Amino acid sequence: AQKVTQAQTEISVVEKEDVTLDCVYETRDTTYYLFWYKQPPSGELVFLIRRNSFDEQNEISGRYSWNFQKSTSSFNFTITASQVVDSAVYFCALNEFSSNTGKLIFGQGTTLQVKP
Amino acid sequence: EAGVAQSPRYKIIEKRQSVAFWCNPISGHATLYWYQQILGQGPKLLIQFQNNGVVDDSQLPKDRFSAERLKGVDSTLKIQPAKLEDSAVYLCASSLVREGDNEQFFGPGTRLTVL
Repeated sequence: AQKVTQAQTEISVVEKEDVTLDCVYETRDTTYYLFWYKQPPSGELVFLIRRNSFDEQNEISGRYSWNFQKSTSSFNFTITASQVVDSAVYFCALNEFSSNTGKLIFGQGTTLQVKP
Repeated sequence: EAGVAQSPRYKIIEKRQSVAFWCNPISGHATLYWYQQILGQGPKLLIQFQNNGVVDDSQLPKDRFSAERLKGVDSTLKIQPAKLEDSAVYLCASSLVREGDNEQFFGPGTRLTVL
């Protein structure tokens, strides 16, 4: 069955520290998509990145980087030199190609608090 | 470009009452989603529309929840009658097409409290 696990419920760091948010997924599909979304206190989920199952290249976007490893079914997210504005709830999500829909299966979320 | 609009932002009702939420997706987006987010959990898909047709409503509690998107644009989600466990944030999202690799754009949500 499809599932996304974010084992870290809450993380607290001091500004400028690096932090990694873990995401482990389960799926029987060979074609799937993985996402990260950010949910600030305002409530709207903001898209950060999408990865398809055939692209294991790591990606870097400014202070953000993502490490996708199919061998361990993980899609981890690292924030370098964290800032207070990074404080939010972060969700990892999975879409299975076989569903033939846009249905996203979300993890429980990790609350990140960055202290000044 | 205007984002996904939702109203109301907050709603408090008593159990067994009815409530309706409204969503207006981004212009031109054919696919519309309703998610339920219970406190401390990730969003869970309730229903997905492609234009005015239902693509997936497998997790919609149909005995009390209903949704429509009559003209293929805005949508309404209704709960009748509400239960305590329906307290949650109801998120509406839209995407250009229905394929799973498409980015979904989310609205601010409606926070429902059932007393």
